[in-house]
Amino acid sequence: SYELTQPLSVSVALGQTARITCGGNNIGSKNVHWYQQKPGQAPVLVIYRDSNRPSGIPERFSGSNSGNTATLTISRAQAGDEADYYCQVWDSSTLFGGGTKLTVL
Amino acid sequence: EVQLVESGGGLVQPGRSLRLSCAASGFTFDDYAMHWVRQAPGKGLEWVSGISWNSGSIGYADSVKGRFTISRDNAKNSLYLQMNSLRAEDTALYYCAKDMGRRDDSSGHAFDIWGQGTMVTVSS
Repeated sequence: SYELTQPLSVSVALGQTARITCGGNNIGSKNVHWYQQKPGQAPVLVIYRDSNRPSGIPERFSGSNSGNTATLTISRAQAGDEADYYCQVWDSSTLFGGGTKLTVL
Repeated sequence: EVQLVESGGGLVQPGRSLRLSCAASGFTFDDYAMHWVRQAPGKGLEWVSGISWNSGSIGYADSVKGRFTISRDNAKNSLYLQMNSLRAEDTALYYCAKDMGRRDDSSGHAFDIWGQGTMVTVSS
């Protein structure tokens, strides 16, 4: 079965760039979606189909996908970006990565 | 306002049944596939089940196949999850989520709207 691998945690200094990866076999051939989930809240879609931002999501959020790694990039990180981030793909069924906790220092 | 509101969660004994509901508003419900996603306490997201806009295509995670049944009533703008033979490992917050694909039977779309979830606790 297909597996998605995310780092458990990523730290970034305030105002710097955070990169959260999602690894999978030839994931570059799949559509990858990203969600942000803050404590006690429902997930929010921040990137769909690799690199598209839904309405209302800041331009600081961007995505890329190639080879065996998809990446969510958060530029000029803010304290409010602290959250868990999940990647999602389709491979016979919907799959989520294990999630990455982003800490803004 | 686009909204999904789940209900029906609660404390249930192992082996018993529960039916979750999700009321949709603010969008044309019968244009979109819908999904159930769960999150065990302190854990990540797990897709449970999905149903196409016209109920013509239904899918389940292996962990719930044969025990859970998804359905929808487009006339009532509602999504359901019938959960039978519940186990302790089914304990989770259950979210209802809207698929982005409009009358699109292909798979792999993102989920752009989520409810706040309803908690299911399976314990004796």
